[in-house]
Amino acid sequence: SYEVTQPSSVSVSPGQTARITCSGDALPKKYAYWYQQKSGQAPVLVIYEDAKRPSGIPERFSGSSSGTMATLTISGAQVEDEADYYCYSTDSSGHHGVFGGGTKLTVL
Amino acid sequence: QVLLVESGGAGVQPGRSLRLSCAASGFTFSSYPMHWVRQAPGKGLEWVAAISYDGNNKYYAASVKGRFTVSRDNSKKTLYLQMDSLRLEDTAVYYCAREEAAAGFDHWGQGTLVTVSS
Repeated sequence: SYEVTQPSSVSVSPGQTARITCSGDALPKKYAYWYQQKSGQAPVLVIYEDAKRPSGIPERFSGSSSGTMATLTISGAQVEDEADYYCYSTDSSGHHGVFGGGTKLTVL
Repeated sequence: QVLLVESGGAGVQPGRSLRLSCAASGFTFSSYPMHWVRQAPGKGLEWVAAISYDGNNKYYAASVKGRFTVSRDNSKKTLYLQMDSLRLEDTAVYYCAREEAAAGFDHWGQGTLVTVSS
């Protein structure tokens, strides 16, 4: 079955830029979505269609995609951005979703 | 405001069945595709199933295909997940999520816990 792959952890100091990657063979043709999940809470959408930001999401969150890799960038990461981040996309049929394994972002 | 409330989670033995519900309010339920996503304790998110806005199209993860059935009752604004032949590895928090047209899962419920244990 189709998979998308993320690093298990990323660590930055406050104010630095955090980048989380997501790789998958179908990403050149399928959008990537990014979800933030803080401990004990439901996930929250932070980026959709590779690079669009929902209303209410801070401007420091941005997304990009090139070839088989999508990237979530948090410019000037803050302590409150500490969370697990999940990449989501679909297989080439567009009918079956898949999440990456998640990336634990540490900001300290 | 948009609200999704899951219910039906419980402790069950392997091989048994369980039906989850997701009650929707605050939006036109019949206009949106809906999904089930689960998260095993201490693990990542796993997409489980999806259903089109009218219920005519349904899709499943390989791990649940043939055992789980997604359905909806638009008159009751409720999404369902019928889970049969439950396995230990089905233990998870199950979330329902609304899909905003190609814009991702923009609203999620709070989740309901299913524990499969002998």
